[in-house]
Amino acid sequence: QSVLTQPPSVSGAPGQRVTVSCTGRSSNIETGHDVHWYQQLPGTAPKLLIYGNTNRPSGVPDRFSGSKSGTSASLTITGLQAEDEADYYCQSYDSTLSGSVFGTGTKVTVL
Amino acid sequence: EVKLLESGGGLVQPGGSLRLSCAASGFTFRNFAMSWVRQAPGKGLEWVSLIFGPGGTYYADSVKGRFTISRDNSKNTLYLQMNTLRAEDTAVYYCAKMDGIDYNNYCFDYWGPGTLVIVSS
Repeated sequence: QSVLTQPPSVSGAPGQRVTVSCTGRSSNIETGHDVHWYQQLPGTAPKLLIYGNTNRPSGVPDRFSGSKSGTSASLTITGLQAEDEADYYCQSYDSTLSGSVFGTGTKVTVL
Repeated sequence: EVKLLESGGGLVQPGGSLRLSCAASGFTFRNFAMSWVRQAPGKGLEWVSLIFGPGGTYYADSVKGRFTISRDNSKNTLYLQMNTLRAEDTAVYYCAKMDGIDYNNYCFDYWGPGTLVIVSS
């Protein structure tokens, strides 16, 4: 049972903008802990996509962006491409659980 | 280039034990915290355990008392000793390097390809 809630799925046509939300609570996101995002292509290991709420690792296209406000965070893909079809997970730290927590995951489908 | 490679997965009976290993290269292993993260078939990601460079450890409640994380900094290798295994421990187990300003804000910046553990009679 994850403490970070994401929509099960989002979809968009190529070129469109899609947003994946990640809702937490006072013991994680609202406390100020950073939110990170991962992309998991089918059959592969997760890959770090956004760290520290808004930062992209080297090599991640700038069409991926992150934001955080209050008890929630968002991942936005601007200019959706076919290769973006994957599962996306948010992650933060939970003070009550004293450990990292992941979101429930969102499947992004390119129509 | 950072590389992580897990090994040791397989089929084990309920109540049995298994030891996973993760060979690391491409970075100064002893300077970084490392974690195990698992993913049950068709399910999401679940953090399992963390170990700091000097050796401090943390565990998820679901594995506390049954799993033990350790590391050998001289061999650049991370371990996970799994005892009293249950069917619900069936998952792909990933080894992940951690980075960040402090523990409360760590991310998993590199992942291995994972090793599959199946707990079944």
